[in-house]
Amino acid sequence: EIVLTQSPGTLSLSPGERATLSCRASQSVSSSYLAWYQQKPGQAPRLLIYGASSRATGIPDRFSGSGSGTDFTLTISRLEPEDFAVYYCQQYGSSLLWTFGQGTKVEIK
Amino acid sequence: QVQLVESGGGLVKPGGSLRLSCAASGFTFSDYYMSWIRQAPGKGLEWVSYISSSGSTIYYADSVKGRFTISRDNAKNSLYLQMNSLRAEDTAVYYCARDGGQLVTGFDYWGQGTLVTVSS
Repeated sequence: EIVLTQSPGTLSLSPGERATLSCRASQSVSSSYLAWYQQKPGQAPRLLIYGASSRATGIPDRFSGSGSGTDFTLTISRLEPEDFAVYYCQQYGSSLLWTFGQGTKVEIK
Repeated sequence: QVQLVESGGGLVKPGGSLRLSCAASGFTFSDYYMSWIRQAPGKGLEWVSYISSSGSTIYYADSVKGRFTISRDNAKNSLYLQMNSLRAEDTAVYYCARDGGQLVTGFDYWGQGTLVTVSS
């Protein structure tokens, strides 16, 4: 089973700042099957990025994804007030399992 | 617009059973793979089970294998999760989610979730 480790656990930033979130896999992940989600309190997760770098429908271009192999990054270029939330990476692997990282909380500094 | 609405959650004793439902609308349900994903209180996301569009292919997480059964009724645009032999650690919000398919390789739509609490 592929384990996804996200860092940092919590990111304290101010609106307007750049956020860089990391997702590291225990073994190589196909870029086609690496996704990022945003979750706000009391809400379901929302798909932000799929295929490591493609934005889902309606997602602002301040969100971008990159990476390959075992290292992936979600970048929020300029934080808006509505971007403070928890972010999860997720992969689908050859073992026919979908796994999620433990999440990174982006909080207001 | 795409909508997924879960129901069937509630309080159940350890060892008990519960059946969750997910009503889909706004898209051709029979064209899409579906999954159940859960989130324990204050914790992260855990994928639980997957079913192909026809229902012929099914996968489970090891944590629920042998206890949970996923199914679907394409005529009723509905997804189900039969949960037996429930344990305290099954307490979570259960989401149904649509797999976006070959073009969108992620869970592109989620329901609002239904809470399952396993406690005596």
